[in-house]
Amino acid sequence: GAVVSQHPSRVICKSGTSVKIECRSLDFQATTMFWYRQFPKKSLMLMATSNEGSKATYEQGVEKDKFLINHASLTLSTLTVTSAHPEDSSFYICSAKGTYDYNEQFFGPGTRLTVL
Amino acid sequence: EDQVTQSPEALRLQEGESSSLNCSYTVSGLRGLFWYRQDPGKGPEFLFTLYSAGEEKEKERLKATLTKKESFLHITAPKPEDSATYLCAVQAGSGGSNYKLTFGKGTLLTVNP
Repeated sequence: GAVVSQHPSRVICKSGTSVKIECRSLDFQATTMFWYRQFPKKSLMLMATSNEGSKATYEQGVEKDKFLINHASLTLSTLTVTSAHPEDSSFYICSAKGTYDYNEQFFGPGTRLTVL
Repeated sequence: EDQVTQSPEALRLQEGESSSLNCSYTVSGLRGLFWYRQDPGKGPEFLFTLYSAGEEKEKERLKATLTKKESFLHITAPKPEDSATYLCAVQAGSGGSNYKLTFGKGTLLTVNP
């Protein structure tokens, strides 16, 4: 149980284009989903928290107009990187917290974004 | 501000050589301390949650313990497949935190056969 998927696993795009990453909870309903960014050999940095049906809460320093988050259902959240630039290249990971049981967050496998 | 410090940054062990990883934390009202395992190019895999000082949890060769200031992840007789980065994270109990986790930088464990 508690499986989270992400799609795509890898994406390469040109500078100036937008990229959408999907995060799905496969076997549970996720009231809250989180988006993280991870640089090589660095730890996870929380970008934003999204609750189903409401606006995402962004961490300080994260541009909400650049990283659009939508949590339209209890099993799906999307992150859209708008007008991507090479400095947006990174490993993006989502996590989900279910409506049941404690406080554990279960992570997706991550999406490697490369902006040329 | 919540802070999590993990040590050592990297640890090399021979197969069968037991050791411990440390996670020290500063948080206003600990709601939970979490251990995750992360393999290269993958998302973190949940291992344990600890909620109060004195609590211990075990899973196969891993045992996690918690005090009021730190947590240890003990690895008994490790195998090469235990090689990974081990991440520690804390969740604060302050209102409005919305369950967010603050992560340490991780310990890269390498177990040689």
